[in-house]
Amino acid sequence: DAGVTQSPTHLIKTRGQQVTLRCSPKSGHDTVSWYQQALGQGPQFIFQYYEEEERQRGNFPDRFSGHQFPNYSSELNVNALLLGDSALYLCASSLRQLYNEQFFGPGTRLTVL
Amino acid sequence: AQSVTQPDIHITVSEGASLELRCNYSYGATPYLFWYVQSPGQGLQLLLKYFSGDTLVQGIKGFEAEFKRSQSSFNLRKPSVHWSDAAEYFCAVNSGYALNFGKGTSLLVTP
Repeated sequence: DAGVTQSPTHLIKTRGQQVTLRCSPKSGHDTVSWYQQALGQGPQFIFQYYEEEERQRGNFPDRFSGHQFPNYSSELNVNALLLGDSALYLCASSLRQLYNEQFFGPGTRLTVL
Repeated sequence: AQSVTQPDIHITVSEGASLELRCNYSYGATPYLFWYVQSPGQGLQLLLKYFSGDTLVQGIKGFEAEFKRSQSSFNLRKPSVHWSDAAEYFCAVNSGYALNFGKGTSLLVTP
């Protein structure tokens, strides 16, 4: 039973660039959430996608956008990168009816120089 | 807004000793509560969850947690800690479709 997978594992970008992170949900799951975890902090909710629509959004600027595909996989896009965007980006998947019971992937470590 | 507080940033216990990690929540109705564990450089693993019913919840790896509405708490316990339990532990509460996490407690296990 494949768990949540994310790619790439690590990424280094410079300020002002754009980045795309990818996530494949756990087998059977149809809902994907994205979180940002800064060093030494707990994860912060960015948004959740279900049926290819953004269902809820956290307190993040419009530079952060996402997409969900018909196969339930998802992308997180961040434009105009800032140094403060350096973090571990976590994807979590769940079932629609159990949207709070979320299973996390290993994350993508983004470094912005 | 729904939130959790983890009062202890760091905790050190000896291997074989008992463990209790504290979590206090702020929520208007009956919350959904979770404990996750994160090893260095890794994602989060769900240890246990509380949705309703029995207030003592059993999880994986020998962990349990007790929901106490009167104290707005959901503390994590383990009777005997193993060196492999050293990690970061996060308590979380539901907020709509999202999870709101505490800042975490770092557990160090000494021989």
